[in-house]
Amino acid sequence: GAGVSQSPSNKVTEKGKDVELRCDPISGHTALYWYRQSLGQGLEFLIYFQGNSAPDKSGLPSDRFSAERTGGSVSTLTIQRTQQEDSAVYLCASSLVSGQQETQYFGPGTRLLVL
Amino acid sequence: AQSVTQLDSQVPVFEEAPVELRCNYSSSVSVYLFWYVQYPNQGLQLLLKYLSGSTLVKGINGFEAEFNKSQTSFHLRKPSVHISDTAEYFCAVTRNTGNQFYFGTGTSLTVIP
Repeated sequence: GAGVSQSPSNKVTEKGKDVELRCDPISGHTALYWYRQSLGQGLEFLIYFQGNSAPDKSGLPSDRFSAERTGGSVSTLTIQRTQQEDSAVYLCASSLVSGQQETQYFGPGTRLLVL
Repeated sequence: AQSVTQLDSQVPVFEEAPVELRCNYSSSVSVYLFWYVQYPNQGLQLLLKYLSGSTLVKGINGFEAEFNKSQTSFHLRKPSVHISDTAEYFCAVTRNTGNQFYFGTGTSLTVIP
């Protein structure tokens, strides 16, 4: 089908609330990445999934952040007790296989605003 | 640790003029290098990548980049830009081990008619 899709495209929430961001990777892609893009910053790596292997969570900024990938396809990034500094664009990307040479295909992102 | 520096946050250039977007990285190990482009209201997409071999890499839309190991640079060039090249350009690096990609802060290219 189409490319990587993400929902919602925009999310406004109040400080302290939990939010869930969804990513649908390209069908058949085994690797999935989450990034955060803050204003004036580059893309910040958050977490990486590859098949059934344990995810690489080394980029998650705090224990308020977690992510799951069910059935090797759809992924959900959850931010608990949101803070204003969590406001950013959250990008998801997938690639056909794992490996540093592989091209990542990015979704359009979810723009999160924490009031 | 890796880092990627894009020295120019904004680059205005007239249509049909040449452009160079600079990217420098820091690494003591072998790396792979990428340029991604983000058009307005779209997701990032790959322009080109350097994995090995020839240091001059050609990508889509007439862009090319040259890997310079001694200067740890991977500058992006186009000899003649079009209005449609207006976008945000990101340089990225990853090691040949590990999973993390490191992105620069981006360069906003504006092509002026």
